[in-house]
Amino acid sequence: DVKVTQSSRYLVKRTGEKVFLECVQDMDHENMFWYRQDPGLGLRLIYFSYDVKMKEKGDIPEGYSVSREKKERFSLILESASTNQTSMYLCASSLDQGNTEAFFGQGTRLTVV
Amino acid sequence: GIQVEQSPPDLILQEGANSTLRCNFSDSVNNLQWFHQNPWGQLINLFYIPSGTKQNGRLSATTVATERYSLLYISSSQTTDSGVYFCAVTHYKLSFGAGTTVTVRA
Repeated sequence: DVKVTQSSRYLVKRTGEKVFLECVQDMDHENMFWYRQDPGLGLRLIYFSYDVKMKEKGDIPEGYSVSREKKERFSLILESASTNQTSMYLCASSLDQGNTEAFFGQGTRLTVV
Repeated sequence: GIQVEQSPPDLILQEGANSTLRCNFSDSVNNLQWFHQNPWGQLINLFYIPSGTKQNGRLSATTVATERYSLLYISSSQTTDSGVYFCAVTHYKLSFGAGTTVTVRA
């Protein structure tokens, strides 16, 4: 089975901190994605990556950056956390452009205080 | 971008009832998936169904790509079926509908 693992289930950070959310997949997938989920707004795509060192902006990239130095790991970075970034963050991966079935990690509930 | 609409937004069922959830999308897509979000927030894959019909136990799904819709059927619902069901389509990137919240009462 595909396994997508997010580094933390719950995280509390202070305003202004630099925050790293890590995601690792174990199935040699080419594509990886970061979403945030908020009540009433559904799931929104922040960034995605189709290959190592490649990244593309999703629908709401402002305030975030990403890093993909190795194929299995995709990191989401909040350069200076703000309270409006309090949310549920979900990481996903899929095999390649031909097979796009996505698999999700367990999610990280981030609270910025 | 592509629009994905799910209906109904909320569904309340008595245990044992059957139900149908609908997903409409505004453009041709490469694939379509149905997910169930569990109480802890994780998205569980139900179906990967670009077209045709699939069944898995009490759940089945049908996608009619030419008419741009998909249906998820829940038969003999159980309390464990409660949660939010999402439809997501790939049209360059994976886009989600707003979800249907299903509550199954004992």
